[in-house]
Parts: sequence; structure tokens; C-alpha cells
Amino acid sequence: EAGVTQFPSHSVIEKGQTVTLRCDPISGHDNLYWYRRVMGKEIKFLLHFVKESKQDESGMPNNRFLAERTGGTYSTLKVQPAELEDSGVYFCASSQNRGSHEQYFGPGTRLTVT
Amino acid sequence: AQSVTQLGSHVSVSEGALVLLRCNYSSSVPPYLFWYVQYPNQGLQLLLKYTTGATLVKGINGFEAEFKKSETSFHLTKPSAHMSDAAEYFCAVRSNTGNQFYFGTGTSLTVIP
Repeated sequence: EAGVTQFPSHSVIEKGQTVTLRCDPISGHDNLYWYRRVMGKEIKFLLHFVKESKQDESGMPNNRFLAERTGGTYSTLKVQPAELEDSGVYFCASSQNRGSHEQYFGPGTRLTVT
Repeated sequence: AQSVTQLGSHVSVSEGALVLLRCNYSSSVPPYLFWYVQYPNQGLQLLLKYTTGATLVKGINGFEAEFKKSETSFHLTKPSAHMSDAAEYFCAVRSNTGNQFYFGTGTSLTVIP
């Protein structure tokens, strides 16, 4: 069974540009989560999808971030326009059930904004 | 509100020595607690978890952790460190609703030969 995959693994963009990160969850997992780790800090929750619906987006930092999950399969996280403080590692995770004790994490996308 | 504190962002141990990574949590309800490990260039992998029942939890690769409610702690231990244990370790508590995990800042473990 394939795990959670994320693309790209690394992205370097200039301030003001747009970047789109992609996450493919484990097949059959209805729940998809995005997290972010800014260097040296904790991994922080961004948002949670159940199928194609946003269940909780309380962790989204501002309206420059847009997450979508059309069709309830893969998800994208777009940052437009990117700012320096957006640099970090963006993790995606998925779980089968909302109450599942385990979330399966992808390898992350390292975003550097210069 | 829930939060996790990991004491020590970097820990070094000699190969064969005891590994102890500290984690304290704050939770207004009985917590579900987790330890994840991230090896270089890989995703977060679940090491072990506490949900209910026995407070001493055994995980993969010889790691274990003990839930101590009175101390609000969930420290991770391994009796004998191996070179392959070098990685970053994250302690996490799950929210009441199950939507999100709250992570600590991580502890980078170095194993010295």
C-alpha cells in the first residue's frame, strides 16, 4: 500500500510568487490534514478535510493560503503571494476515520521563500 | 487547550547508552499521546501511542514510553541506543475532537559511536 505522497519535495521561490503544493493521501482515507513546521518550531495544524469538505481550517495563517480537495482525493495548498515567513516544511497526513488514533504523514515539502 | 513541551532540542548519547527523550503535555481532558520519528528525507513515522489502558506502551525499534498522569509526562526511552536511532523525535497530543495533533518542537537525537 502506497503511503502519503507529496510533491514537490523542495521548492524555492521568490517573495511575491505563487506556489502550489500537492498531497496524495493513502487510498480510501477520507480525512486529510495539512501541517506546517517553521524552522525550529513545532509542527502546527493548518486544516482538515473530510472528503472534499473543509472540516476545520482554524490553523490557516491568512487568506494568502488556499487549500482545495476537489473530488475528495488529492489536495493542493496554494500560497499566493508567498512571503518570507511562509518558509518551512509543509506536511500532509491522512487517516481513515475521523476518530482514528493514527495519522499517516507524508515526507513533507520544504518551501523556501527568498 | 492542549500543548506539548519537549525538553532539549538536541540530545546526544553514546551507542549502547540509555535514550531518554522528555515530553510533558497539557490537556484539559484525558489525552491521547504519541511519539513520532522522522528519519532524514522521510515522513513522520509513528513510534508508539497511548490511548487507554496500560500506561507503559511499547513501540517499534525497542522504544517505550510511560504515561504518568500525575506528572503530565510521556517520556520516551530505549535501553540501548543504536546508530540507526539518530533522527528527530516528536511528541504529540491529540485534540478532543480528533481533528488535529498538537506537536512539540522536536528533539534531534545524535548517537555517538
